[in-house]
Amino acid sequence: AQSVAQPEDQVNVAEGNPLTVKCTYSVSGNPYLFWYVQYPNRGLQFLLKYITGDNLVKGSYGFEAEFNKSQTSFHLKKPSALVSDSALYFCAVRDGAGANNLFFGTGTRLTVIP
Amino acid sequence: ETGVTQTPRHLVMGMTNKKSLKCEQHLGHNAMYWYKQSAKKPLELMFVYNFKEQTENNSVPSRFSPECPNSSHLFLHLHTLQPEDSALYLCASSQGSLAGAWDTQYFGPGTRLTVL
Repeated sequence: AQSVAQPEDQVNVAEGNPLTVKCTYSVSGNPYLFWYVQYPNRGLQFLLKYITGDNLVKGSYGFEAEFNKSQTSFHLKKPSALVSDSALYFCAVRDGAGANNLFFGTGTRLTVIP
Repeated sequence: ETGVTQTPRHLVMGMTNKKSLKCEQHLGHNAMYWYKQSAKKPLELMFVYNFKEQTENNSVPSRFSPECPNSSHLFLHLHTLQPEDSALYLCASSQGSLAGAWDTQYFGPGTRLTVL
């Protein structure tokens, strides 16, 4: 069965510092991994995805994520946080061996402190 | 967010009311989805349509009834809801199976539903 774990409900980081939002996954086949961001009163916005190829994926707004197969992780990172990055971040996985559906984590609320 | 639109953005209804949520995508996609988002829980997939055909019903109670008249429009008809159905209902669309592994879902802004 597919699953995603986001171990931190809340991450606080000072503006200008690097940020990391953690995600681990479990699938039967090849993992297809996604990050989405949700701002207040808005839907989910696609940030980036890993399907195959380079383990470091670059996405929107300066975010990147690193796929680590041995650790079954796909952590979201940004070198220098902005106050405007404060939002709810969701990791999602689709199992390459299964149906086309996405399985989401419970989300991590990122707060960037000025 | 103009790619996928949802109306209304907010809805308050009584348990005996009948209402409908509407979703429209302007991305030329072939698959559409309904999700339920509740606090502290993962997004719950409710229904999936591919080329107007329902391909997934994730054990959703019959008080939720989806309708997909064409690939661009998706409705969620609501009747005799319960207070625990209060949540943010999100619509998404994607290219579907034609995109294979690269299929990516794009979401609308959601409808905040409150059942009294």
